[in-house]
Amino acid sequence: EIVLTQSPATLSLSPGERATLSCRASQSVSSYLAWYQQKPGQAPRLLIYDASNRATGIPARFSGSGSGTDFTLTISSLEPEDFAVYYCQQRSNWMYTFGQGTKLEIK
Amino acid sequence: QVQLVQSGAEVKKPGASVKVSCKASGYTFTSYGISWVRQAPGQGLEWMGWISAYNGNTNYAQKLQGRVTMTTDTSTSTAYMELRSLRSDDTAVYYCARVGVSGWPKDYWGQGTLVTVSS
Repeated sequence: EIVLTQSPATLSLSPGERATLSCRASQSVSSYLAWYQQKPGQAPRLLIYDASNRATGIPARFSGSGSGTDFTLTISSLEPEDFAVYYCQQRSNWMYTFGQGTKLEIK
Repeated sequence: QVQLVQSGAEVKKPGASVKVSCKASGYTFTSYGISWVRQAPGQGLEWMGWISAYNGNTNYAQKLQGRVTMTTDTSTSTAYMELRSLRSDDTAVYYCARVGVSGWPKDYWGQGTLVTVSS
């Protein structure tokens, strides 16, 4: 089973700053990597799929990059509503595992 | 607009079964699949599996094989997830999500269903 490791576990930043979240896979997942945002008491929301494609309605400040085993979600300038937990998920050999999440909190 | 509406909260005893429904609207049900994801209290997301609404093919997470069954009723655009032999560590919020033909990605989500397993 492919394991996804997200870092850091918690990221403390201020509105307006740039956020960089990392997701590393235990083996190559090609570009089959997605990012989700989850706020307390809400269902997750798809942000990025296939490593770099923004989902419908997602602001341009969210971008994804990477391939193989190393992936990054970048939020160019944090808005107050961006503070949440972020999960990556991979798709490989018909198995779809999630990372453990990165909590983005207000500094 | 695409909507996935799940059934209400359940309380079950250990060893029992639960069946959660997910009614889809706003799109052609058989052109997509439905995936199920759960989240234990205070924990991360766990992928459980998915079903193609087109042909009924399923793909389950290894740790749940033998205890979970996912089905669809195309006449009502509803997906179901049944989990048997419930244990206390099955207590979680269960989400359904729409997925593409390859089980990917999860672009629309239901509101979640809390399943509590307690004696």
